[in-house]
Amino acid sequence: GENVEQHPSTLSVQEGDSAVIKCTYSDSASNYFPWYKQELGKRPQLIIDIRSNVGEKKDQRIAVTLNKTAKHFSLHITETQPEDSAVYFCAASRGFGNEKLTFGTGTRLTIIP
Amino acid sequence: ETGVTQTPRHLVMGMTNKKSLKCEQHLGHNAMYWYKQSAKKPLELMFVYNFKEQTENNSVPSRFSPECPNSSHLFLHLHTLQPEDSALYLCASSQDREGEQYFGPGTRLTVT
Repeated sequence: GENVEQHPSTLSVQEGDSAVIKCTYSDSASNYFPWYKQELGKRPQLIIDIRSNVGEKKDQRIAVTLNKTAKHFSLHITETQPEDSAVYFCAASRGFGNEKLTFGTGTRLTIIP
Repeated sequence: ETGVTQTPRHLVMGMTNKKSLKCEQHLGHNAMYWYKQSAKKPLELMFVYNFKEQTENNSVPSRFSPECPNSSHLFLHLHTLQPEDSALYLCASSQDREGEQYFGPGTRLTVT
Protein backbone atom coordinates (compact mmCIF):
# COMPACT_ATOMS: atom_id res chain seq x y z
CA GLY A 1 0.00 0.00 0.00
CA GLU A 2 0.86 3.68 -0.10
CA ASN A 3 3.30 5.14 2.41
CA VAL A 4 3.56 8.90 2.90
CA GLU A 5 6.41 10.46 4.84
CA GLN A 6 6.28 14.08 5.95
CA HIS A 7 9.08 16.34 7.16
CA PRO A 8 9.75 18.17 9.35
CA SER A 9 7.48 17.17 12.23
CA THR A 10 7.83 20.63 13.76
CA LEU A 11 8.79 23.92 12.17
CA SER A 12 9.19 27.39 13.66
CA VAL A 13 9.36 30.36 11.33
CA GLN A 14 9.68 34.08 11.94
CA GLU A 15 6.61 36.02 10.89
CA GLY A 16 7.02 37.21 7.33
CA ASP A 17 9.44 34.45 6.36
CA SER A 18 8.60 31.44 4.20
CA ALA A 19 7.83 27.91 5.35
CA VAL A 20 8.32 24.71 3.37
CA ILE A 21 6.95 21.28 4.25
CA LYS A 22 7.94 18.23 2.25
CA CYS A 23 6.30 14.87 1.65
CA THR A 24 7.37 11.75 -0.19
CA TYR A 25 5.13 8.91 -1.32
CA SER A 26 5.77 5.35 -2.40
CA ASP A 27 2.99 4.44 -4.84
CA SER A 28 3.86 5.67 -8.32
CA ALA A 29 0.17 5.33 -9.28
CA SER A 30 -0.87 8.06 -6.83
CA ASN A 31 -2.30 11.01 -8.69
CA TYR A 32 -4.01 13.25 -6.15
CA PHE A 33 -2.14 15.18 -3.44
CA PRO A 34 -4.12 17.39 -1.02
CA TRP A 35 -2.86 19.45 1.89
CA TYR A 36 -4.93 19.98 5.03
CA LYS A 37 -4.56 22.53 7.81
CA GLN A 38 -5.75 21.76 11.32
CA GLU A 39 -5.71 24.54 13.88
CA LEU A 40 -5.59 23.60 17.54
CA GLY A 41 -8.86 22.03 18.62
CA LYS A 42 -10.44 22.46 15.21
CA ARG A 43 -11.29 20.23 12.28
CA PRO A 44 -8.96 19.68 9.30
CA GLN A 45 -9.57 21.93 6.31
CA LEU A 46 -8.38 21.49 2.76
CA ILE A 47 -6.11 24.38 1.81
CA ILE A 48 -4.76 23.32 -1.56
CA ASP A 49 -4.46 20.22 -3.71
CA ILE A 50 -2.69 19.15 -6.86
CA ARG A 51 -3.21 16.42 -9.39
CA SER A 52 -0.50 14.58 -11.24
CA ASN A 53 -1.06 16.33 -14.53
CA VAL A 54 0.39 19.60 -13.17
CA GLY A 55 3.71 20.41 -11.51
CA GLU A 56 2.77 23.46 -9.49
CA LYS A 57 -0.31 25.21 -8.20
CA LYS A 58 -0.62 28.53 -6.37
CA ASP A 59 -3.33 30.15 -4.30
CA GLN A 60 -2.28 33.54 -2.93
CA ARG A 61 0.45 32.87 -0.33
CA ILE A 62 0.24 29.09 -0.65
CA ALA A 63 1.80 26.95 -3.36
CA VAL A 64 2.29 23.23 -3.88
CA THR A 65 4.88 21.64 -6.14
CA LEU A 66 4.91 18.05 -7.36
CA ASN A 67 7.79 15.99 -8.72
CA LYS A 68 6.31 12.71 -9.95
CA THR A 69 9.66 11.31 -11.00
CA ALA A 70 11.10 11.70 -7.53
CA LYS A 71 7.73 11.01 -5.87
CA HIS A 72 7.72 14.03 -3.67
CA PHE A 73 5.58 17.12 -3.23
CA SER A 74 5.95 20.22 -1.11
CA LEU A 75 3.86 22.95 0.47
CA HIS A 76 5.22 26.49 0.37
CA ILE A 77 3.80 29.29 2.48
CA THR A 78 5.17 32.76 1.84
CA GLU A 79 4.91 35.90 3.99
CA THR A 80 3.81 33.81 6.96
CA GLN A 81 1.35 35.24 9.45
CA PRO A 82 0.44 34.21 13.02
CA GLU A 83 -2.81 32.64 11.75
CA ASP A 84 -0.73 30.21 9.71
CA SER A 85 0.22 28.46 12.95
CA ALA A 86 -1.36 24.99 12.78
CA VAL A 87 -0.66 21.37 11.99
CA TYR A 88 -0.39 20.68 8.27
CA PHE A 89 -1.05 17.25 6.78
CA CYS A 90 -0.13 16.05 3.33
CA ALA A 91 -1.85 13.10 1.70
CA ALA A 92 -1.66 11.01 -1.44
CA SER A 93 -4.25 8.96 -3.25
CA ARG A 94 -4.71 6.90 -6.40
CA GLY A 95 -7.93 6.58 -8.34
CA PHE A 96 -10.90 8.63 -7.20
CA GLY A 97 -9.45 11.47 -5.15
CA ASN A 98 -10.63 10.71 -1.63
CA GLU A 99 -11.16 6.98 -1.58
CA LYS A 100 -7.64 5.79 -0.93
CA LEU A 101 -6.13 8.76 0.84
CA THR A 102 -3.01 8.03 2.87
CA PHE A 103 -1.88 10.83 5.16
CA GLY A 104 1.48 11.98 6.42
CA THR A 105 2.10 12.33 10.14
CA GLY A 106 1.73 16.09 10.13
CA THR A 107 3.93 19.15 10.63
CA ARG A 108 3.32 21.51 13.51
CA LEU A 109 4.07 24.98 12.15
CA THR A 110 4.60 27.81 14.62
CA ILE A 111 4.88 31.38 13.42
CA ILE A 112 6.95 33.52 15.75
CA PRO A 113 5.68 37.12 15.92
CA GLU B 1 -19.75 25.83 11.35
CA THR B 2 -22.83 23.66 10.91
CA GLY B 3 -22.15 21.91 7.59
CA VAL B 4 -21.08 18.61 9.17
CA THR B 5 -22.14 17.80 12.70
CA GLN B 6 -21.16 14.93 14.95
CA THR B 7 -22.64 13.60 18.17
CA PRO B 8 -21.65 13.00 20.81
CA ARG B 9 -18.60 15.27 21.01
CA HIS B 10 -17.13 13.22 23.85
CA LEU B 11 -17.69 9.58 24.77
CA VAL B 12 -16.25 7.38 27.47
CA MET B 13 -17.07 3.71 27.23
CA GLY B 14 -15.98 0.45 28.76
CA MET B 15 -14.64 -2.39 26.68
CA THR B 16 -17.90 -4.33 26.96
CA ASN B 17 -20.18 -1.44 26.02
CA LYS B 18 -21.96 -0.84 22.74
CA LYS B 19 -22.27 2.73 21.52
CA SER B 20 -22.81 4.58 18.27
CA LEU B 21 -21.33 7.73 16.79
CA LYS B 22 -23.51 9.86 14.56
CA CYS B 23 -22.60 12.15 11.71
CA GLU B 24 -24.94 14.38 9.74
CA GLN B 25 -24.14 16.62 6.81
CA HIS B 26 -26.31 19.49 5.61
CA LEU B 27 -24.36 20.20 2.43
CA GLY B 28 -26.17 17.97 -0.03
CA HIS B 29 -23.07 15.86 -0.50
CA ASN B 30 -23.07 12.31 -1.83
CA ALA B 31 -19.91 10.90 -0.26
CA MET B 32 -19.21 10.45 3.45
CA TYR B 33 -16.17 9.22 5.35
CA TRP B 34 -15.02 8.04 8.76
CA TYR B 35 -11.49 8.83 9.93
CA LYS B 36 -9.53 7.96 13.06
CA GLN B 37 -7.08 10.52 14.43
CA SER B 38 -4.67 9.28 17.11
CA ALA B 39 -1.90 11.24 18.75
CA LYS B 40 1.39 11.12 16.84
CA LYS B 41 -0.09 8.92 14.09
CA PRO B 42 -1.28 9.79 10.61
CA LEU B 43 -4.94 10.46 10.03
CA GLU B 44 -6.44 7.09 9.06
CA LEU B 45 -9.25 6.71 6.55
CA MET B 46 -11.57 3.99 7.84
CA PHE B 47 -14.65 3.85 5.63
CA VAL B 48 -15.99 5.55 2.52
CA TYR B 49 -19.60 5.71 1.40
CA ASN B 50 -20.79 7.04 -1.92
CA PHE B 51 -24.54 7.35 -2.53
CA LYS B 52 -25.11 5.21 0.59
CA GLU B 53 -22.96 2.38 -0.73
CA GLN B 54 -19.73 1.45 1.02
CA THR B 55 -16.87 1.77 -1.43
CA GLU B 56 -13.88 1.47 0.84
CA ASN B 57 -13.02 -0.39 4.03
CA ASN B 58 -9.40 0.08 4.96
CA SER B 59 -8.91 -3.16 6.89
CA VAL B 60 -10.83 -1.86 9.88
CA PRO B 61 -11.54 -4.39 12.68
CA SER B 62 -15.08 -5.72 12.79
CA ARG B 63 -15.67 -4.12 16.20
CA PHE B 64 -16.25 -0.96 14.14
CA SER B 65 -19.41 -1.24 12.07
CA PRO B 66 -20.49 1.62 9.80
CA GLU B 67 -24.02 2.34 8.64
CA CYS B 68 -25.19 4.83 6.06
CA PRO B 69 -29.01 4.92 5.86
CA ASN B 70 -29.02 7.88 3.46
CA SER B 71 -26.60 10.36 1.93
CA SER B 72 -26.97 12.77 4.85
CA HIS B 73 -26.35 10.44 7.77
CA LEU B 74 -23.49 8.19 8.74
CA PHE B 75 -23.13 6.09 11.86
CA LEU B 76 -20.25 4.20 13.41
CA HIS B 77 -21.39 1.43 15.70
CA LEU B 78 -18.87 0.41 18.34
CA HIS B 79 -18.71 -2.80 20.37
CA THR B 80 -16.09 -4.57 22.48
CA LEU B 81 -13.51 -1.87 21.82
CA GLN B 82 -9.95 -1.89 23.09
CA PRO B 83 -8.10 0.91 24.92
CA GLU B 84 -6.00 1.50 21.79
CA ASP B 85 -9.19 2.49 19.99
CA SER B 86 -9.25 5.69 22.04
CA ALA B 87 -8.91 8.53 19.55
CA LEU B 88 -10.68 11.38 17.82
CA TYR B 89 -13.13 10.03 15.24
CA LEU B 90 -13.79 12.44 12.43
CA CYS B 91 -16.56 12.34 9.90
CA ALA B 92 -16.27 14.11 6.56
CA SER B 93 -18.36 14.60 3.45
CA SER B 94 -17.74 15.71 -0.11
CA GLN B 95 -19.88 16.41 -3.13
CA ASP B 96 -18.46 13.35 -4.88
CA ARG B 97 -15.50 11.07 -4.31
CA GLU B 98 -13.14 13.62 -5.84
CA GLY B 99 -14.50 16.77 -4.25
CA GLU B 100 -13.19 18.79 -1.33
CA GLN B 101 -13.86 17.10 1.97
CA TYR B 102 -15.56 18.99 4.79
CA PHE B 103 -14.87 17.62 8.22
CA GLY B 104 -17.03 17.50 11.30
CA PRO B 105 -15.74 18.53 14.73
CA GLY B 106 -15.08 14.94 15.74
CA THR B 107 -16.00 12.67 18.64
CA ARG B 108 -13.32 12.25 21.29
CA LEU B 109 -13.60 8.59 22.31
CA THR B 110 -12.00 7.15 25.42
CA VAL B 111 -12.14 3.40 26.00
CA THR B 112 -11.55 2.36 29.60
